[in-house]
Amino acid sequence: DIQLTQSPASLSASVGDRVTITCRASQSISNYLNWYQQKPGNAPKVLIYAASSLQSGVPPRFSGSGSGTDFTLTISGLQPEDFATYYCQQTYSTPRTFGQGTKVEIK
Amino acid sequence: QVQLVQSGAEVKKPGASVKVSCKTSGYTFTSNFLHWVRQAPGQGLEWMGVIIPGGGSTSYAQKLRGRVTMTRDMSTSTVYMELSSLTSEDTAVYYCAREDGDYGRRTFDVWGQGTMVTVSS
Repeated sequence: DIQLTQSPASLSASVGDRVTITCRASQSISNYLNWYQQKPGNAPKVLIYAASSLQSGVPPRFSGSGSGTDFTLTISGLQPEDFATYYCQQTYSTPRTFGQGTKVEIK
Repeated sequence: QVQLVQSGAEVKKPGASVKVSCKTSGYTFTSNFLHWVRQAPGQGLEWMGVIIPGGGSTSYAQKLRGRVTMTRDMSTSTVYMELSSLTSEDTAVYYCAREDGDYGRRTFDVWGQGTMVTVSS
């Protein structure tokens, strides 16, 4: 199975900050990497697919990069509604594993 | 629009089984894989398995094999997830999610609202 390691597990940031979350795969997954946002009590919502493509309707302050084993999610100009937990997921193979999550909290 | 509507919350005793349904609408049922993902309180997302509605093929997470069964009803475009021999560690919100896209563009683009399963004596 492919393991995904996210870092950090949590971070505190202020509105307007630039935030970067990383996800490392245990083997190469090309660009088969998605990012999801989850708010308490809600199902996850896809933000980025294929490592760097913005899902329709997602604000352009969210961006993704990477290929192979190392990936990043960047939020440029954190907004109040962005405080949530973020997960990476690989769809290169089954099982479709998730990272352990990164909780973005208000500083 | 595409919708996945899950059955309601369940409370079960240890050792019992639970069966959660996920009724789909707004798209061709056989066109997309359907996955189950669970989330224990305060924890991350755990992939449980997938069913291919067209042929009924399944693949399960290794840790759940022998306890989980995913099925589908073509007449109602509904998938089911049954988990047996429940313990307190199975207390979680269970989600169904549709997979869409090809190759590197695969995503879980639509999710059910979640079903809370509580295992308690």
